[in-house]
Amino acid sequence: DIQMTQSPSAVSASVGDRVTITCRASQGFSDYLVWFQQKPGKVPKRLIYSTSGLHPGVPSRFSGSGSGTEFTLTISSLQPDDFATYYCLQHAIFPRTFGQGTKVEIK
Amino acid sequence: QVQLVQSGAEVKKPGASVKVSCKTSGYNFIKYGVSWVRQAPGQGFEWMGWISTYNGETKYARKFQGRLSVTADTSTSTVYMELRSLRSGDTAVYFCARDPTSRWLQDDGFDIWGQGTMVTVS
Repeated sequence: DIQMTQSPSAVSASVGDRVTITCRASQGFSDYLVWFQQKPGKVPKRLIYSTSGLHPGVPSRFSGSGSGTEFTLTISSLQPDDFATYYCLQHAIFPRTFGQGTKVEIK
Repeated sequence: QVQLVQSGAEVKKPGASVKVSCKTSGYNFIKYGVSWVRQAPGQGFEWMGWISTYNGETKYARKFQGRLSVTADTSTSTVYMELRSLRSGDTAVYFCARDPTSRWLQDDGFDIWGQGTMVTVS
């Protein structure tokens, strides 16, 4: 199984800050990695698909990059609506595996 | 529009079984597999299993082998998840999500989710 190690587990940031979240995989895989945002009690919302594709309707301040075993989500300028928990998920290989999540909190 | 609509909340006793449905609409059912994922209260996500809606092939996470069944009904475009021998640790919100494996459709992976079904084991 591919283990996805997501870091940091939490980050405190201010509006306007640049935030970077990383997922490291225990073994390499093709670029079928997605990033989600989840707010309490809500369905996860896909932000990024296939490592770097921006899901339709998602603001351009969100971007994804990486390959092989290291993948990154960047929020270029944090907005009030972005305070949430973010997860990565690889869907290249079964079993699918998620990162543990990163909670982005207000500083 | 593309939708996955799940059945309602369930309360079950330990040892019982639960069957959650995920009715799809707005797209060609047999082109997209479906995964089931769960989220315990205050926790992250756990992938449980997947079904090919084209041929019924299934994949299950090792921890659920023997206790989980995922099935599909092409006549109603509905996928089902049945979990048996429930215990308190199975209390969670269960989600279905589109999970295609065709190379031409994998960009759509996990783009659409059901609204979630709360299963309480108590």
